[in-house]
Amino acid sequence: LAKTTQPISMDSYEGQEVNITCSHNNIATNDYITWYQQFPSQGPRFIIQGYKTKVTNEVASLFIPADRKSSTLSLPRVSLSDTAVYYCLVGAFDAGNNRKLIWGLGTSLAVNP
Amino acid sequence: GAGVSQSPSNKVTEKGKDVELRCDPISGHTALYWYRQSLGQGLEFLIYFQGNSAPDKSGLPSDRFSAERTGGSVSTLTIQRTQQEDSAVYLCASSFRMNTEAFFGQGTRLTVV
Repeated sequence: LAKTTQPISMDSYEGQEVNITCSHNNIATNDYITWYQQFPSQGPRFIIQGYKTKVTNEVASLFIPADRKSSTLSLPRVSLSDTAVYYCLVGAFDAGNNRKLIWGLGTSLAVNP
Repeated sequence: GAGVSQSPSNKVTEKGKDVELRCDPISGHTALYWYRQSLGQGLEFLIYFQGNSAPDKSGLPSDRFSAERTGGSVSTLTIQRTQQEDSAVYLCASSFRMNTEAFFGQGTRLTVV
């Protein structure tokens, strides 16, 4: 079964670009890579989703290499309010060929003044 | 409302009692997920409903846990004979399909004393 691996924590400063990489071997061929953001005492919130190459929206970019075994969430010019836990999520198939969603354990990002 | 609604927001129960947690998904979303999150931890998958298909119950930790989804809408997660280790935040999410943008509720914080 696929496993997603991401750094436990990262530190940054306001105005910097932050890149969080997630490794996901055995990702399902036709499935997406999704990133969520979670603040304390709230449910996760969708940030961005992609299948390959690069996706950009108003809050982040997602870079996916050709082999799709990893992805990098890029947050431009972070602010204090970006302090949160960031999760990557991929689709994969288990031993019984059942489709599953595999969550990473989350990266706790601390943005300092 | 426009979002996923969960009730109650907080629940304190005595060990051995049964509890029911409710989730009202976004109208039109055929996929519904239940997750459990302990303090400072990642998301633990519990159960997944997709339309009229048989639910994926592979994440339920024991037979004390069960869930229903009536009429493809509201879902109830039931925990029988609660134990202290059941204490956690229980999150519900809904989406149009698996691994499309999921919207999470605020969660139910369950405390078993």
